[in-house]
Amino acid sequence: DAGVTQSPTHLIKTRGQQVTLRCSPKSGHDTVSWYQQALGQGPQFIFQYYEEEERQRGNFPDRFSGHQFPNYSSELNVNALLLGDSALYLCASSLVVDTQYFGPGTRLTVL
Amino acid sequence: AQTVTQSQPEMSVQEAETVTLSCTYDTSESDYYLFWYKQPPSRQMILVIRQEAYKQQNATENRFSVNFQKAAKSFSLKISDSQLGDAAMYFCAYRSGNNNDMRFGAGTRLTVKP
Repeated sequence: DAGVTQSPTHLIKTRGQQVTLRCSPKSGHDTVSWYQQALGQGPQFIFQYYEEEERQRGNFPDRFSGHQFPNYSSELNVNALLLGDSALYLCASSLVVDTQYFGPGTRLTVL
Repeated sequence: AQTVTQSQPEMSVQEAETVTLSCTYDTSESDYYLFWYKQPPSRQMILVIRQEAYKQQNATENRFSVNFQKAAKSFSLKISDSQLGDAAMYFCAYRSGNNNDMRFGAGTRLTVKP
């Protein structure tokens, strides 16, 4: 039973660029949530997707957007990257509103 | 808004001994869930234990148990017979009963000494 997978593992971008991160949920899960974890801090909720719609959103600007596909996988897009966007981006999957299981994360560095 | 506070940035325990990590939270809701997650250097967030607020009985998973004090809004994690593999960052998290927006504390770094 495959767990949550994320790609890529690491990514280096420059300010102003755009980035896309990908997530495949755990088998049987239909809901994907995205979190940003800055160095030395706890994760912060970005948004959640269910049935291909953004169901809930945290306090993040519109530069952060996402998508969920019919197979429940998801993408996180960040436009106009800032230095402050450097962080570990975590994807978590669940069955609707239930316990979330996390992927290994994508480390994004913005130079 | 719900907040989660972990007042111990770092903790240390001798191998085979017991350690307790503290967590307090603030909420006006009655339906919620509490979690402890472990994040080793590999970065993957691993679920350790979960507690439903409506259950009075404290959750237990092998060497891990919680002390859930609902009135005091306290949710501590006890690790018994500590092992070297328990060394990691531990995050306490809160989730409302009707949505998936999890709020995390700042974490406690646990060191296990051989």
